[in-house]
Amino acid sequence: AAGVIQSPRHLIKEKRETATLKCYPIPRHDTVYWYQQGPGQDPQFLISFYEKMQSDKGSIPDRFSAQQFSDYHSELNMSSLELGDSALYFCASSLGGAGGRESDTQYFGPGTRLTVL
Amino acid sequence: AQKVTQAQTEISVVEKEDVTLDCVYETRDTTYYLFWYKQPPSGELVFLIRRNSFDEQNEISGRYSWNFQKSTSSFNFTITASQVVDSAVYFCAHTYGGSQGNLIFGKGTKLSVKP
Repeated sequence: AAGVIQSPRHLIKEKRETATLKCYPIPRHDTVYWYQQGPGQDPQFLISFYEKMQSDKGSIPDRFSAQQFSDYHSELNMSSLELGDSALYFCASSLGGAGGRESDTQYFGPGTRLTVL
Repeated sequence: AQKVTQAQTEISVVEKEDVTLDCVYETRDTTYYLFWYKQPPSGELVFLIRRNSFDEQNEISGRYSWNFQKSTSSFNFTITASQVVDSAVYFCAHTYGGSQGNLIFGKGTKLSVKP
C-alpha cells in the first residue's frame, strides 16, 4: 500500500539558511500534520492542514511556515535556521472524519533528518 | 489538560519473555482516541493500534495485545514471547476524536530485547 512520502530524507544546512521540506500524503487522505522530534524526545506537533486550510497550530516557531496545495501535498518552510532546529521532521496524513473506521488515524512518513551546522 | 505518561523509560528483556508497556492518559474529553506507535532504530514511526474512547474491548494481534481500561485511564501494551526485532521505542499517544486533532505523545519506552 502507498505510504506517506517525504523529501528530502536528509538535509544539511548552515545557520541562518532556509530549508523546505516536502510531504506527499497517502492517496485520498485530506489532512496533513507536521511534527518535530529532537534527539531522544517524543514528537511535538507543529501544524496541520485539512482540505488545504490550516486546521490546528502547535509549537511552531514564527520562522517556520507551511501550506497544503491543491494536490494535497504539503511543504514546511523554515527560515533563519538555528542549531536547535536540528531534528527529525515527520509528516503524517489521515482521512477526515467522514472516512469511517479508518478516519483520523495518522500514518507517518519516514521523516526528514535536518542537521543545522 | 491532555497528557500521556509512560513511566517506564527503558525496559530490557531476554528473547521469549513477555513484556508489558504501561500507558496512562489524562483528558477532559468524552470522545478521544488512543494509539500506540513503534519507532525502530531506523527512525520511522509505525502505527500499531488505535482505540476509540467508547470501545473498551481488548485486542490481540499475533504476539501483541492491548488492554484499555477507562476506569484507570490506562492503555497498556503487552508483547508475548518477545523477539529481537521488537527492540524499538514505543510511544503511546492520545488525541481527541473526530476533529483531526493532533497527537500528544508520551515520552516513550525504549525496549531492548536481547538474544
